[in-house]
Amino acid sequence: GAVVSQHPSWVICKSGTSVKIECRSLDFQATTMFWYRQFPKQSLMLMATSNEGSKATYEQGVEKDKFLINHASLTLSTLTVTSAHPEDSSFYICSASGQGVSYEQYFGPGTRLTVT
Amino acid sequence: AQKITQTQPGMFVQEKEAVTLDCTYDTSDPSYGLFWYKQPSSGEMIFLIYQGSYDQQNATEGRYSLNFQKARKSANLVISASQLGDSAMYFCAMRDYAGNNRKLIWGLGTSLAVNP
Repeated sequence: GAVVSQHPSWVICKSGTSVKIECRSLDFQATTMFWYRQFPKQSLMLMATSNEGSKATYEQGVEKDKFLINHASLTLSTLTVTSAHPEDSSFYICSASGQGVSYEQYFGPGTRLTVT
Repeated sequence: AQKITQTQPGMFVQEKEAVTLDCTYDTSDPSYGLFWYKQPSSGEMIFLIYQGSYDQQNATEGRYSLNFQKARKSANLVISASQLGDSAMYFCAMRDYAGNNRKLIWGLGTSLAVNP
């Protein structure tokens, strides 16, 4: 149980375009979803926390107009990277948390974004 | 402020031997949880083991055990009988239960290489 999927697993896009990444909890209701960014050989950096039906809470230094997060249902959250630039190239990971789960966060497999 | 410290950027271990990955934490909250995750080169975050601050016994999950020393604020991961497939990045993380958010505080990680 507690499976989280991410789509796409990898994407290449041109500079200036927008990219949408989906995060789905497949077998539980995710009241909270987290979006992380990870550069090679580095730790996870939390970008934002989203609760179903409300606006996401962004971490300091993360541009909310650039990284649009929508958590419209208890099983789906999306991250849209708008007007992507090469410096946005990174590994993006989502995780989901439900009620009463002691292990707290279940992670998706990640999405590797390359902006050319 | 909450903090997780992993002082070993890289570790080597011989196959079939045991290895300890260090993790120290800092928090003023009495109620918290400690997590270890494994991240192989594929990028997915794999949950390994969890220790609650009030748990009386050290957590164990198969070949993984957590050496929890509360007074020293350390939560070292012990992997017994290392296997080649254990080669990966290992992250220690903490969550406090005082607030309403479910954010995890992450360490910088330890890269483990298992030699045949």
